[in-house]
Amino acid sequence: DVKVTQSSRYLVKRTGEKVFLECVQDMDHENMFWYRQDPGLGLRLIYFSYDVKMKEKGDIPEGYSVSREKKERFSLILESASTNQTSMYLCASSPTGYSYNSPLHFGNGTRLTVT
Amino acid sequence: GNSVTQMEGPVTLSEEAFLTINCTYTATGYPSLFWYVQYPGEGLQLLLKATKADDKGSNKGFEATYRKETTSFHLEKGSVQVSDSAVYFCALSGSSNTGKLIFGQGTTLQVKP
Repeated sequence: DVKVTQSSRYLVKRTGEKVFLECVQDMDHENMFWYRQDPGLGLRLIYFSYDVKMKEKGDIPEGYSVSREKKERFSLILESASTNQTSMYLCASSPTGYSYNSPLHFGNGTRLTVT
Repeated sequence: GNSVTQMEGPVTLSEEAFLTINCTYTATGYPSLFWYVQYPGEGLQLLLKATKADDKGSNKGFEATYRKETTSFHLEKGSVQVSDSAVYFCALSGSSNTGKLIFGQGTTLQVKP
């Protein structure tokens, strides 16, 4: 089975801190994604990457950046955390570079609280 | 742009009741459609998918049919169990062929014994 591992289950950070959320997948997938999940809003795409060192903005990239130095690892960075970034963050991967049909494989999420 | 709209929840049912969760979409081209499920404390898992019009996806007793004429992909199950209590997300593939998905807002299902 594909495993997508997010490094932290719960994080509490202070306003203004730089925050790193880490995600690792073990199936050599090309695509990796960061979503945030908020009640009533579903999942919204922050950034995605379809290859090492490649990244593209999703629907809500403001206040975030990403890094993909190795194929298996995709990091989400909050440059200066703010309270409106308190959310559940979900990492996902999918197996092929370009496909309408490939399902996403999700990690268990990181619940981030910014105080 | 592409979008997905789901019925609002929560949906509360008794065990063995019939379930329908409505999902409609707006899309250009010919997207694939998906249902994902999120059990408490876990990430999302693929429940079923359909890749072209009139396809029926099915898994674990759940079914959904890709209806292009009504732009719908409603999720159904004939007899729900307490273990089906979860959040259900409808999703479609994005307009560009990059593998990203667009999700609905999610529908919480509570099944009572």
